[in-house]
Parts: sequence; C-alpha cells; structure tokens
Amino acid sequence: DGGITQSPKYLFRKEGQNVTLSCEQNLNHDAMYWYRQDPGQGLRLIYYSQIVNDFQKGDIAEGYSVSREKKESFPLTVTSAQKNPTAFYLCASSIGPPFRNEQFFGPGTRLTVL
Amino acid sequence: QKEVEQDPGPLSVPEGAIVSLNCTYSNSAFQYFMWYRQYSRKGPELLMYTYSSGNKEDGRFTAQVDKSSKYISLFIRDSQPSDSATYLCAMSSGNQFYFGTGTSLTVIP
Repeated sequence: DGGITQSPKYLFRKEGQNVTLSCEQNLNHDAMYWYRQDPGQGLRLIYYSQIVNDFQKGDIAEGYSVSREKKESFPLTVTSAQKNPTAFYLCASSIGPPFRNEQFFGPGTRLTVL
Repeated sequence: QKEVEQDPGPLSVPEGAIVSLNCTYSNSAFQYFMWYRQYSRKGPELLMYTYSSGNKEDGRFTAQVDKSSKYISLFIRDSQPSDSATYLCAMSSGNQFYFGTGTSLTVIP
C-alpha cells in the first residue's frame, strides 16, 4: 500500500536534547513538507522540500533542521534551540511542484518535552 | 486579518442531518481548495480537492467554491457518527498552503 509513515508515534524528550522525527513516503512524490499543529492554531509550515538535496524554510523554521538525501525520506530534527517543542508534528507529500496539488499526510508524531 | 478564517465550532448534529462547514479567505489569488478530515490524534485525510470555482461531489460530500465571495463550503449529507471529527479547510495560490484552524463536528446517534 502506498502512503506516508512517521515514527515514532509518541516521543518524549528532556530539555536540551535534540530529537529526530522520521518521515518516509512510497508515493513517488517530489515535494515533502513538515507541519506543526497546536490547539487552536491550525497547521504551521516548518520546512518543505521540492527535490532531493533541496529544502526551504517555512514560517516557523527556527529551532528545526531537515535533510533530503533520498526522495522517499525527509527527517526533521527538533533542536534544543526550539523554545516550545511540545506539539503534534505532521509530515506531508504532494506530486509535482510544492503547493500546487493536494497534500497527503502521515499519521503524525506527538512530541512531549519533559 | 488571517488568510483563512474557519469557525472552530464545536458543531453537534443528529445522525442523518445535513452538515454545512465553511471557510472564508482574504487572498483573491487562491485557486486550489481542499477539505481534510482529521480524527483525534491522527493525521488529516484528504476529502475533497477543487481547482478554481464551482462544485464537486463525491458520495455524501459536496464542496463548493465561490471565489467572488471568497467563501468555500463542505456539505455532508446523511451524516453518520463516523463523520465525527475535525474538518480543516486549506487553500493555496501555488506558493504556500494556508489551513483553517478546523471545525469540530459531532454526529449524535
């Protein structure tokens, strides 16, 4: 079955630690995205990538980093510089150029900082 | 002013009712419009995708786009308890997606 997988489903982190969230897709989509979802605020764009080895900052990139070494994979690292990292993180992908076609989402990772 | 406005609800209806969900927007350049359904603690699931104005129907779901009024709607006919979820609207000019904050819907058996 084609789709997007994210792991882990739940993640707990101590303050000062970096953590990496995994996102894999087998839809052969070119574009991939990371969003953060907080109650009452909707989805906010962290980073997106149009192609391998290329990515662009979104609205709230500070304290996050990404890589795109393979078309199928777009991991997100939440660094210790992110001041309020507790949130629900969603990875998405779409065919063709970014923001021109419907995005398909993974199941999400809930990150809690202790 | 937010790019996209969506009434957060909550909205509660009896089973079998027709549900109307709405979003307004301010950017006249938006031409791609979507509706997503999100169950609690899950990722959003695409329901409808519409390019430019008009109506689109898929089973019990109908999406409408009125670009002159900057207003989009999602209608759910014969609502079921399994439709209980948060519904997100999304739209794009081709440069970035903008999401509504979501409307929480409960369908009561």
